[in-house]
Amino acid sequence: LAKTTQPISMDSYEGQEVNITCSHNNIATNDYITWYQQFPSQGPRFIIQGYKTKVTNEVASLFIPADRKSSTLSLPRVSLSDTAVYYCLVGDKFLFFGTGTRLTVIP
Amino acid sequence: EAGVVQSPRYKIIEKKQPVAFWCNPISGHNTLYWYRQNLGQGPELLIRYENEEAVDDSQLPKDRFSAERLKGVDSTLKIQPAELGDSAVYLCASRPGGTGNTIYFGEGSWLTVV
Repeated sequence: LAKTTQPISMDSYEGQEVNITCSHNNIATNDYITWYQQFPSQGPRFIIQGYKTKVTNEVASLFIPADRKSSTLSLPRVSLSDTAVYYCLVGDKFLFFGTGTRLTVIP
Repeated sequence: EAGVVQSPRYKIIEKKQPVAFWCNPISGHNTLYWYRQNLGQGPELLIRYENEEAVDDSQLPKDRFSAERLKGVDSTLKIQPAELGDSAVYLCASRPGGTGNTIYFGEGSWLTVV
């Protein structure tokens, strides 16, 4: 079961790009990399998922190097409402949550 | 499309009392999960169902916790008797079959045991 390592917390000013990197050295061939966002009092919300290279959607981009042992979630021009906990997960049918990265966006 | 629905949203009970949580997954989703989340921590998997079969329940404290998923749709998670340490958020999630599909979470059921 591949576990992940990500920073416990990050601070950023509004309008800046935020990059959160996650390490997953034991990722398996069939594993996908998925990022979730969680606000207080809510369940985790899917942000983006990828298998390799780069994936972009309306919310974020996900960069995955060729060896897939890490990944970087990129949030462009963050706002105060992006303050949340961000989880990096590796797997397919089963997802193991770590403690996540608490992002605080400062005005 | 309706999301994962959970009830009750909040529950306060005295220790040693029973409590049950209900989950209605997204229509057509074969896989259903129950997670528990303690304050300041990530969700922890309790049990995973593939249709009506529990395929991973190694983290479910079986002395007091039980779960069922009748007809492979709705699911209930029960705690009897509850202990103070069971205070947490109980999250239900579902996922369609196949590989690489997203898991969708409900809003959670907040349990406080006093």
